[in-house]
Amino acid sequence: IAGITQAPTSQILAAGRRMTLRCTQDMRHNAMYWYRQDLGLGLRLIHYSNTAGTTGKGEVPDGYSVSRANTDDFPLTLASAVPSQTSVYFCASSEDRGAGGGNEQFFGPGTRLTVL
Amino acid sequence: GQNIDQPTEMTATEGAIVQINCTYQTSGFNGLFWYQQHAGEAPTFLSYNVLDGLEEKGRFSSFLSRSKGYSYLLLKELQMKDSASYLCAVTDSNYQLIWGAGTKLIIKP
Repeated sequence: IAGITQAPTSQILAAGRRMTLRCTQDMRHNAMYWYRQDLGLGLRLIHYSNTAGTTGKGEVPDGYSVSRANTDDFPLTLASAVPSQTSVYFCASSEDRGAGGGNEQFFGPGTRLTVL
Repeated sequence: GQNIDQPTEMTATEGAIVQINCTYQTSGFNGLFWYQQHAGEAPTFLSYNVLDGLEEKGRFSSFLSRSKGYSYLLLKELQMKDSASYLCAVTDSNYQLIWGAGTKLIIKP
């Protein structure tokens, strides 16, 4: 089934631990994104990738890193988790990073992360 | 700064019509999206507007006025399954998608 998968579905993590959230898409989309969603706030972009081999910083990149070794995978790493990183994390992809009806973003099911 | 405003919550009756407004102030404009998000699920694409006017898609329509920095999503013949949050998002001059906080729509029988 075409789409985006994320793992894990949920995780409870001790502060200071390292954690990698996984994201894989099979739509051959060029662009991929990581967002966090917190109650009362809009989706906030953490990092993005326009194409394999390139990444960029979004609105809230501090404490997070990403890599894009190939088209399909876009993992997000928290080097040393802090309680303020408790959130729901969504991975998304689009054909290209740009405007246009064909550039709507498709979202994965999300990872609910709690940092204690 | 960049800002998107939507009402936090709205309530409507099954079978009725509801209009969800969105106003935006962004650095440039390259299109406006509406997404639907059911509780505990991922956002899913509803509509896209880049030119002024109304785009109709079944029971859902979306309107854009670029000069006023304003859009609305119109939902007709409301069904219980339309209970969800509706997210407005604008693509700015750098092609970054700026998201509103969303409008939670509650449908009552």
